Amino acid sequence: AQSVTQPDIHITVSEGASLELRCNYSYGATPYLFWYVQSPGQGLQLLLKYFSGDTLVQGIKGFEAEFKRSQSSFNLRKPSVHWSDAAEYFCAVGASSASKIIFGSGTRLSIRP
Amino acid sequence: SAVISQKPSRDICQRGTSLTIQCQVDSQVTMMFWYRQQPGQSLTLIATANQGSEATYESGFVIDKFPISRPNLTFSTLTVSNMSPEDSSIYLCSVEAGVDEAFFGQGTRLTVV
Repeated sequence: AQSVTQPDIHITVSEGASLELRCNYSYGATPYLFWYVQSPGQGLQLLLKYFSGDTLVQGIKGFEAEFKRSQSSFNLRKPSVHWSDAAEYFCAVGASSASKIIFGSGTRLSIRP
Repeated sequence: SAVISQKPSRDICQRGTSLTIQCQVDSQVTMMFWYRQQPGQSLTLIATANQGSEATYESGFVIDKFPISRPNLTFSTLTVSNMSPEDSSIYLCSVEAGVDEAFFGQGTRLTVV
């Protein structure tokens, strides 16, 4: 069955510290992988996506993610977080860009001043 | 890119009534998607709406409860029928536009009392 697991429900990091949000997926074929961010009261914004090619993907707002097929993982990273990064982050997998996207349960990120 | 406008942005409704949510896109798109995000939960796909055909519903969602219209390539509606408090959620419209990218509306926050 297709699924996405985000093992961390809530993470708190200090402003300026590095960040890694974990994501593991289960998918029969080569998936499309996404990270979305949802700020309070806002819609979803795409941070980055992976289809093929270079396994290290650069996104907006200084985020990057690395696809590791052997580990079925697609972890999101940022070298130095800002207070404005506080939000809910969703990892997602799909057969194509917008076809039946399956979302993980989300990780809420809090930033410590 | 695509700009999606959802109306209403929020509503409080009495149980047993119905609410129709509108999704307007600033460009023509083939597929539109409706998601539900229950409180504290991730997003779940309700159905896929293609212009000129019946919507395709995911497991656990039925047309009688969530009728969908797709009269043209820029507009869709989702109706939440005979509402109960369990229907209190954020409902989001999504489209595929550009190169393999899904765009989301800001959502409709529904509270059923």
